[in-house]
Amino acid sequence: AQKVTQAQTEISVVEKEDVTLDCVYETRDTTYYLFWYKQPPSGELVFLIRRNSFDEQNEISGRYSWNFQKSTSSFNFTITASQVVDSAVYFCALSDASYSGAGSYQLTFGKGTKLSVIP
Amino acid sequence: NAGVTQTPKFRVLKTGQSMTLLCAQDMNHEYMYWYRQDPGMGLRLIHYSVGEGTTAKGEVPDGYNVSRLKKQNFLLGLESAAPSQTSVYFCASSFRTGGTDTQYFGPGTRLTVL
Repeated sequence: AQKVTQAQTEISVVEKEDVTLDCVYETRDTTYYLFWYKQPPSGELVFLIRRNSFDEQNEISGRYSWNFQKSTSSFNFTITASQVVDSAVYFCALSDASYSGAGSYQLTFGKGTKLSVIP
Repeated sequence: NAGVTQTPKFRVLKTGQSMTLLCAQDMNHEYMYWYRQDPGMGLRLIHYSVGEGTTAKGEVPDGYNVSRLKKQNFLLGLESAAPSQTSVYFCASSFRTGGTDTQYFGPGTRLTVL
């Protein structure tokens, strides 16, 4: 069974600080995919990134970076020089490569980390 | 492209009433999903569809029904609403690329059952 744990329920940082959101996952599959989504106060869910289990290269996109480590089953997300607009709930999710029932790759979500960036 | 849209955005029901939530996508995606989001619980899958005319149960299907008569639409029905169904409902659609699906979400529907 798949499981995603986001141990940090809420984090508060002062603007311009760096912050790392932790994500630990469990899966029996050797092929799987990891995702991060952002849910700002307006409520919609925004796709940020997808990684597959064969690509352990870190990813950087502007102030965002992702550190994927298979050895520790972690896919952590770092925001550098945080801004107020980064305030949101961030979800980590996992999809394995096996078909789930009717042929869909289903996502298992963590419970989310609420990030508050204080000006 | 509008992406994924959901109707209505807000709704208040009384216990026992019925309603249908509409999800529409204009991206020609094969797969569509309905989730509910409750405080501290993350997102949980209710039902999903892998194509027009097909549906399947997710993690928490009880009390809900779905239909996918057209590829672009996925309807979620509550036949007899209960207070436990008070939640925010999200629809998502996805396409397959690189070995898996990437799901794109609608803006959500906030439902309150009194």
